[in-house]
Amino acid sequence: QQQVKQSPQSLIVQKGGISIINCAYENTAFDYFPWYQQFPGKGPALLIAIRPDVSEKKEGRFTISFNKSAKQFSLHIMDSQPGDSATYFCAASMDVNRDDKIIFGKGTRLHILP
Amino acid sequence: EAGVAQSPRYKIIEKRQSVAFWCNPISGHATLYWYQQILGQGPKLLIQFQNNGVVDDSQLPKDRFSAERLKGVDSTLKIQPAKLEDSAVYLCASSSLRAYEQYFGPGTRLTVT
Repeated sequence: QQQVKQSPQSLIVQKGGISIINCAYENTAFDYFPWYQQFPGKGPALLIAIRPDVSEKKEGRFTISFNKSAKQFSLHIMDSQPGDSATYFCAASMDVNRDDKIIFGKGTRLHILP
Repeated sequence: EAGVAQSPRYKIIEKRQSVAFWCNPISGHATLYWYQQILGQGPKLLIQFQNNGVVDDSQLPKDRFSAERLKGVDSTLKIQPAKLEDSAVYLCASSSLRAYEQYFGPGTRLTVT
């Protein structure tokens, strides 16, 4: 119930295309759903985050779509660029009894073809 | 503002040796996390500090791993003795508010031979 399931494991997209990464969760106590981006040799960096009472959040070319009833959320990267090639982690966070936790998915390695 | 600092960046040791990692979080961040990231996987939380107190160490292999955060600022993570399966990147992160908004350091890549 604490898991966040992420797919696909790897993704190859042509430059200019749309990259889509999907995640699913079970525990309805999660109250924030962030996405992190990690380049080789670097630590993950927060990209964008959404609350479950919002169906969509957009920041530049990055959009999170959230389906509360299906317990699923996804990251869409529009006009994908070679510089977007990285590993992306979805995550879910909850704050229960002052114990604030985050659970990461296993990651998606994205490669944008030039 | 300066980011999360970690050292060393790389470490190679033989099994059964000991190793220590250091982390300096972003100034003012009360919460500090240590993660283990095995190649091809997401970060796995080892220990979480709130100021200098431990909030969660349920996944820390306490027979060989230890961590401390003296004075609620920087922190050290120690492994003694190391095993082959400890080969991973050890990430330190800090946050000021909610756990979903964490700032990660560059990590320490540990290779145990």
